[in-house]
Amino acid sequence: DSGVTQTPKHLITATGQRVTLRCSPRSGDLSVYWYQQSLDQGLQFLIQYYNGEERAKGNILERFSAQQFPDLHSELNLSSLELGDSALYFCASSGGLAGGRWVSGELFFGEGSRLTVL
Amino acid sequence: TQLLEQSPQFLSIQEGENLTVYCNSSSVFSSLQWYRQEPGEGPVLLVTVVTGGEVKKLKRLTFQFGDARKDSSLHITAAQPGDTGLYLCVYGGSQGNLIFGKGTKLSVKP
Repeated sequence: DSGVTQTPKHLITATGQRVTLRCSPRSGDLSVYWYQQSLDQGLQFLIQYYNGEERAKGNILERFSAQQFPDLHSELNLSSLELGDSALYFCASSGGLAGGRWVSGELFFGEGSRLTVL
Repeated sequence: TQLLEQSPQFLSIQEGENLTVYCNSSSVFSSLQWYRQEPGEGPVLLVTVVTGGEVKKLKRLTFQFGDARKDSSLHITAAQPGDTGLYLCVYGGSQGNLIFGKGTKLSVKP
């Protein structure tokens, strides 16, 4: 058990719909990362938050957005869903980083949310 | 853009065999990490290597960081079915986030 909790574990929805994925980081971790994992692209970094503020941005589509709340949990919102958005979405957390910048620290991953868009 | 190339993409072996997987780049890294992802779970950190030429051992797993800090390898001795999983090489991106290679999918058959 990594201490990172993601909900829901599985989600099936239709094209054009909107979903929200939720992540609770390990107790005390200030950084939250979101990754998308598909068969052909591997683990793609989407976005990172540190103590409530956006810290780094990767290949995140404009249809996707995220935020980190004062209690440090995070949500990833996916809208106008397309078939190609079907993937595993992972949240990871870490703590003790210099201003949110990764310095050879460990990321702790949740079990992921499997999204299927039909 | 720094890119990590992992090889082979897929590897299927019998229990007891030895294997090596590779992580290569044209860029120099201050450090590299290896994660293992088992089916249905998130990746878990195995090791961090920071010094060129460094060798770290974790039971039957041996990790090496190249002298020039551009590549790394993972050697598994006497593989077991429990070693089955996706092995991911990871480096720190310019924004301070982690960038993952596509991984080597290992299957160890009993």
